[in-house]
Amino acid sequence: NAGVMQNPRHLVRRRGQEARLRCSPMKGHSHVYWYRQLPEEGLKFMVYLQKENIIDESGMPKERFSAEFPKEGPSILRIQQVVRGDSAAYFCASSPASGGFLGAFGQYFGPGTRLTVT
Amino acid sequence: RKEVEQDPGPFNVPEGATVAFNCTYSNSASQSFFWYRQDCRKEPKLLMSVYSSGNEDGRFTAQLNRASQYISLLIRDSKLSDSATYLCVVLDGSGNTGKLIFGQGTTLQVKP
Repeated sequence: NAGVMQNPRHLVRRRGQEARLRCSPMKGHSHVYWYRQLPEEGLKFMVYLQKENIIDESGMPKERFSAEFPKEGPSILRIQQVVRGDSAAYFCASSPASGGFLGAFGQYFGPGTRLTVT
Repeated sequence: RKEVEQDPGPFNVPEGATVAFNCTYSNSASQSFFWYRQDCRKEPKLLMSVYSSGNEDGRFTAQLNRASQYISLLIRDSKLSDSATYLCVVLDGSGNTGKLIFGQGTTLQVKP
C-alpha cells in the first residue's frame, strides 16, 4: 500500500510564474490536508479538502493560492504569480476519516514539495 | 499569542541522558494532542498521542495537564538516533475536521 505521494519533490520557479503541486492520497483515503512550512518555522495548516469539496480553507492566503481535489486524480495546490516569500516546503497529508481524533490520528504525511522561487 | 508554543532549543545532550520538552496550547477547547518527530525538514511522523492519564512508549513518556494547558515529552536513555526536531501538535479545537496545529518544534541533538 503506497503512502502519500507528492510531486514534484523539488520545484524551482521564477518570480511571476505558476507553481502546481500534486498530492495523491493513500489508497482508501478521501480526505486531504495541505500544510506549509516556511524556513525556520513550524507547519501551518492551509486547506482541507474532500473529493470535489473544499471543507476548510481558513489557512490559505487570500490571493494567488487555490486548491482542488477532483473526483479523479490527485489534489492540486496551485500558486499563481509566485513571489520569493512563497519559498517553502509544502506537505500534503491524507486520512480515512473527516474529523475528530481519527481524522487527526489517521493522518499520514507525504514527503513534501520544496518550492524555491528565484 | 501562538496557538501552540514550544521552546525551540536546541537541546544538546550526551547519549544516555534524560531530556524533557514542554509545550503550551492556548485553546482550552482542544481535545486531542500529539507529539510528532521531524528529521531534517522531511515529513513529520507521528511519535505518540498524549492522554490525560499519561502514556508511555518504550523510552518515551508523554503527559498532558488540561488545567494548565501544558503538554510534555520525556525521553529517557537518549540515543544518537533520537536527534531530530520534536513537534507538539494539537487538533483544532472545533474537532470537526482533522486540522492540526503545530508548534514550531524543539530541536534535539544527542552527542556521543
